[in-house]
Amino acid sequence: TQLLEQSPQFLSIQEGENLTVYCNSSSVFSSLQWYRQEPGEGPVLLVTVVTGGEVKKLKRLTFQFGDARKDSSLHITAAQPGDTGLYLCARGNNAGNMLTFGGGTRLMVKP
Amino acid sequence: ETGVTQTPRHLVMGMTNKKSLKCEQHLGHNAMYWYKQSAKKPLELMFVYNFKEQTENNSVPSRFSPECPNSSHLFLHLHTLQPEDSALYLCASSPLLSTFSGNTIYFGEGSWLTVV
Repeated sequence: TQLLEQSPQFLSIQEGENLTVYCNSSSVFSSLQWYRQEPGEGPVLLVTVVTGGEVKKLKRLTFQFGDARKDSSLHITAAQPGDTGLYLCARGNNAGNMLTFGGGTRLMVKP
Repeated sequence: ETGVTQTPRHLVMGMTNKKSLKCEQHLGHNAMYWYKQSAKKPLELMFVYNFKEQTENNSVPSRFSPECPNSSHLFLHLHTLQPEDSALYLCASSPLLSTFSGNTIYFGEGSWLTVV
């Protein structure tokens, strides 16, 4: 089983703080996606990374794919209450047609 | 609004009941999925359909029975469930059966199922 480990599981911070969450695996990813899931809704895709060392930015969110394509991080600058939610990473299988999800990081940003 | 609609949003059923979850996508996608999300486990893939044909059954118990009459509709028929089956059931669709960049998967809002 190709597991994805996400850390931390829970994170509670004040508005304006910075944070980083991690997604790790013992095996190489063909591709990796980050999703955000807000309460009462389904996950929404934030970004897909496919190249080792790749960095993508989405406003205050910075996504990095490890050089060896076994890990990824999501950094949020100046967190806002609207960033509250469950952040999930997901990897494609070798055939590129199935997603396996990590356990998620549940983020709460307090005003 | 993601273009993937699930009904009902909430369902409470007894262990001897038969019920169905419905999913409809208005995006013209060819691949549809059922996922299970429970409090103690990561999001789990249950079934995959590609052009109405089932391509993946992720060792799901037979008390869950999927049906895909066309590329826009997906059902999950439920029969003699157990309390541990209580979870959020998410439907999703994508243009193609692929996880590569450019083939975005869209999730519905989910159906909260409680088995009593």
